[in-house]
Amino acid sequence: AQSVSQHNHHVILSEAASLELGCNYSYGGTVNLFWYVQYPGQHLQLLLKYFSGDPLVKGIKGFEAEFIKSKFSFNLRKPSVQWSDTAEYFCAVTDQGAQKLVFGQGTRLTINP
Amino acid sequence: DGGITQSPKYLFRKEGQNVTLSCEQNLNHDAMYWYRQDPGQGLRLIYYSQIVNDFQKGDIAEGYSVSREKKESFPLTVTSAQKNPTAFYLCASSIGQRTEQYFGPGTRLTVT
Repeated sequence: AQSVSQHNHHVILSEAASLELGCNYSYGGTVNLFWYVQYPGQHLQLLLKYFSGDPLVKGIKGFEAEFIKSKFSFNLRKPSVQWSDTAEYFCAVTDQGAQKLVFGQGTRLTINP
Repeated sequence: DGGITQSPKYLFRKEGQNVTLSCEQNLNHDAMYWYRQDPGQGLRLIYYSQIVNDFQKGDIAEGYSVSREKKESFPLTVTSAQKNPTAFYLCASSIGQRTEQYFGPGTRLTVT
């Protein structure tokens, strides 16, 4: 069965620091990749997605992610975080033959002002 | 406003009772999903439906049941057979099977 791993369970940073959250998946075929964010008290919402084309994907709020097929990875990055980025972040993957998303365990991000 | 509504936001039940969680969407999406979110475990798929009157079990369907009689509605029943029902339940919908999913605000169920 396909699986998704987010190795960082809780990341604590200061404002203006750079961020990289890891995401690795197990499926070797063609995949669609997503990062979702859950701000405190709010709906889970889509940050960015990759279906095909340029492996560097830009999302909302200055986030970006890079799909590296050879590493089965889709890491999320932001050059300079803000206190408002405090949230839980989820990576999700679906392969071309599947009918569902598989989510990682989530990474809780705390930004100290 | 288009979106997904889940009610109620908080729900409390006694052990042994069945409880039904509501999920309604006005996005005209064909596919709908139910997830359970527990700390440190991400989202786990309970049931999903790609079309009216059809649904499939997800990864953790035991102790749950669903129906899809209308395109807009996908209620989830947590039965007394579910061994650990206290959790945060999220409903989602999507246009198709492999497109992005849109999530509701969730229902936090506490069973004592």
